[in-house]
Amino acid sequence: EVQLVESGGGLVQPGGSLRLSCAASGFTLSTYWMKWVRQAPGKGLEWVANVNQDGSEKYYVDSVKGRFTISRDNAKNSLYLQMNSLRAEDTAVYYCARRFGDPQGVDVWGQGTTVTVSS
Amino acid sequence: QSVLTQPPSASGTPGQRVTITCSGSSSNIGSTFVYWYQQLPGTAPKLLIYRNDQRPSGVPDRFSGSKSGTSASLAISGLRSEDEADYYCAAWDDSLSGVVFGGGTKLTVL
Repeated sequence: EVQLVESGGGLVQPGGSLRLSCAASGFTLSTYWMKWVRQAPGKGLEWVANVNQDGSEKYYVDSVKGRFTISRDNAKNSLYLQMNSLRAEDTAVYYCARRFGDPQGVDVWGQGTTVTVSS
Repeated sequence: QSVLTQPPSASGTPGQRVTITCSGSSSNIGSTFVYWYQQLPGTAPKLLIYRNDQRPSGVPDRFSGSKSGTSASLAISGLRSEDEADYYCAAWDDSLSGVVFGGGTKLTVL
């Protein structure tokens, strides 16, 4: 079964850091672009970052550039999101997702992990 | 304020046909494919339509998509109670060099 399982979410103070992980199973991670998408409480979806198959190309939404880093370890079938200098507005459910077709396409989603930035 | 504009809500009765619109610009919808996602309450989104009008396997043909110029539409025919969910459109934006989503439309089945 194709599956993505996120972990690493939690409560962090403003200015703090958190590293999200996503474990992939049921498919060969190294053949897919991957991404992170977030959803603030009661709000819509927001694309956060994309990374290509070997990690050499990375794209970010402007609001996280310079603070977040997307990375992957294909040998461990894992995707990561390092989040630094966290702000209250980063509070959201973060979904790991597998790209399908075009950059805006996703055919497999994780169940999400919740990040809360609050003092 | 989302780059792609969707009505915040829509509704219909069982069996009815409902259409949800997604309006953008020449830098996104006007120059790329539109994808649609369905998000049932408390769950992760699910791909509903890709490349404007294509359905992934397993998606009923009651769901259909279309695009014209800088706008796109998702139509749901034969409305069912289980269609009650949030629906999001998505596209690539050349100006922003990123993926943009609509604000979402909450569909209520009366």
